[in-house]
Amino acid sequence: NAGVTQTPKFRILKIGQSMTLQCTQDMNHNYMYWYRQDPGMGLKLIYYSVGAGITDKGEVPNGYNVSRSTTEDFPLRLELAAPSQTSVYFCASSYSLNRNSNQPQHFGDGTRLSIL
Amino acid sequence: AQKITQTQPGMFVQEKEAVTLDCTYDTSDPSYGLFWYKQPSSGEMIFLIYQGSYDQQNATEGRYSLNFQKARKSANLVISASQLGDSAMYFCAMREAGGGGADGLTFGKGTHLIIQP
Repeated sequence: NAGVTQTPKFRILKIGQSMTLQCTQDMNHNYMYWYRQDPGMGLKLIYYSVGAGITDKGEVPNGYNVSRSTTEDFPLRLELAAPSQTSVYFCASSYSLNRNSNQPQHFGDGTRLSIL
Repeated sequence: AQKITQTQPGMFVQEKEAVTLDCTYDTSDPSYGLFWYKQPSSGEMIFLIYQGSYDQQNATEGRYSLNFQKARKSANLVISASQLGDSAMYFCAMREAGGGGADGLTFGKGTHLIIQP
């Protein structure tokens, strides 16, 4: 049972470099999400997708881009890495559901990213 | 204003005691869901329990229960008979209808729970 798989687990980037954080899920979930977690804080939504070809901004989208070409994959792109993007990044997925559904979001194990 | 407030940054509890972790929320949406997640030191996010705004009874899931007081907008997590393995960060989160409609969660800042032997 793979669930939500994120790669890499750790990465160090130099300021101005770019990289893609990979996320794939094997649960056939429609909805996928990217969050970031800064030290001592809760998670904040970066981008989300309700299905292949459809993405939208969350609370903190600046400096990031996403794409959703398949149901399974939802990569997150950092174009010009900045120290403020040092964080732990979580990908999550869930079924599309009404507001009162008890289906939780399933999270990957996270990617710890440092920008130096 | 914060949508999710967790007022206990850290808690120390003796093993086998019950623990209550506080969570208050702010929403004008009549339809919403409240979640608790556990994050151990290894970093993964583990779903614990869910409470819907229309649920008539408090949610329970094994040793976890949710003390849901809708009028006070609180959804406190209760852990009975705490164990050493319960030591972790605990996050309260809310899903509401507004803000795009894709059920993204709004998280509190978390409570760091330490169970002492």
